[in-house]
Amino acid sequence: DTGVSQDPRHKITKRGQNVTFRCDPISEHNRLYWYRQTLGQGPEFLTYFQNEAQLEKSRLLSDRFSAERPKGSFSTLEIQRTEQGDSAMYLCASSPRAGLKAGELFFGEGSRLTVL
Amino acid sequence: AQSVTQLDSHVSVSEGTPVLLRCNYSSSYSPSLFWYVQHPNKGLQLLLKYTSAATLVKGINGFEAEFKKSETSFHLTKPSAHMSDAAEYFCVVSWNYQLIWGAGTKLIIKP
Repeated sequence: DTGVSQDPRHKITKRGQNVTFRCDPISEHNRLYWYRQTLGQGPEFLTYFQNEAQLEKSRLLSDRFSAERPKGSFSTLEIQRTEQGDSAMYLCASSPRAGLKAGELFFGEGSRLTVL
Repeated sequence: AQSVTQLDSHVSVSEGTPVLLRCNYSSSYSPSLFWYVQHPNKGLQLLLKYTSAATLVKGINGFEAEFKKSETSFHLTKPSAHMSDAAEYFCVVSWNYQLIWGAGTKLIIKP
């Protein structure tokens, strides 16, 4: 069990550029989540996959954000035309099928985005 | 609707003294409740969970929490703080497939 890994850990970009984050979940977990966390706040739910199907997307997520999980394994989160307000830590978590009921999400260390 | 309120944004205690981090929840259903911990520059880690079994839940690193339905509380405690406990703690309620997060309490340990 190598845990959830996220890449890159840090990204600095200029406003208007596109960025992509990658998440590799724990291999036997079929559920994958993306959260966003800003300083002094708890994580905000962005989107959720079960296998390759994106089952829910937060209303907070503008159409500049898109997430994929093409083969039900790793996932990518892309932000197009970044804005300064997108600066945050982007967290990925995974859980086994029965895990969510018990709340056992396993988190990566996050990808910190800074938009200049 | 589900919601979580962490009553203190910061808690400061001396090493070796008890820790109390307060959490109140609002839930239309029998909730599942959790505490997560986030150390600086580290990922979130599940500390403990309540899922309608015993009301006193023991977690990792000597932490425990008591579910009190009459008070809609799920406070986190530890008898004796250690320097390594300095971190941010989040109280969470489970709803559908989502977790509803409190704003967090930063625990500061004074030597």
